[in-house]
Amino acid sequence: GNSVTQMEGPVTLSEEAFLTINCTYTATGYPSLFWYVQYPGEGLQLLLKATKADDKGSNKGFEATYRKETTSFHLEKGSVQVSDSAVYFCALERSGYSTLTFGKGTMLLVSP
Amino acid sequence: NAGVTQTPKFRVLKTGQSMTLLCAQDMNHEYMYWYRQDPGMGLRLIHYSVGEGTTAKGEVPDGYNVSRLKKQNFLLGLESAAPSQTSVYFCASRGGETQYFGPGTRLLVL
Repeated sequence: GNSVTQMEGPVTLSEEAFLTINCTYTATGYPSLFWYVQYPGEGLQLLLKATKADDKGSNKGFEATYRKETTSFHLEKGSVQVSDSAVYFCALERSGYSTLTFGKGTMLLVSP
Repeated sequence: NAGVTQTPKFRVLKTGQSMTLLCAQDMNHEYMYWYRQDPGMGLRLIHYSVGEGTTAKGEVPDGYNVSRLKKQNFLLGLESAAPSQTSVYFCASRGGETQYFGPGTRLLVL
């Protein structure tokens, strides 16, 4: 079946540090891949997505590249801010289906 | 444009009680979803709907029922609440390839 594996958190960084959150997946065919972010006390919101191999999704300084050969979709940001503190979820959607499979989430804590 | 709204925000139930969670969206989306979020478990899909009058089971449907009588509303029912249903419940609707989430309902079952 489908599954998404994320690195466990929390990830603790100082402001302006480089961020990587690893995400790997198992799925039949060629899924679409997503990163969602959940700020404290809120619902999830889409951060970025990629729909085919070698696509790069980007938003708000975050980037992730769809790597089919390594079945990965790692999230990166060059310089994190305190306001980036949140829980980040990697997710996949199989082609032709309308449901998402989520990873367990990775909490990011950024200190000044 | 309110997006996705959920009612109530917080509720405490006793074991065996019933309740209904309401989700409403004003984006004219066909697809709607109910998830539960538990510590260390991520989000798990309970039920979903691909259009008015349709429902389908997700990953963890036991103990829950749903109805989609109107396109804009998706109701989640607990007929006989159990402590294992203590969780945060999120509703979402889908536009394009993006799911839009509500703010969540925190449910405590004693």
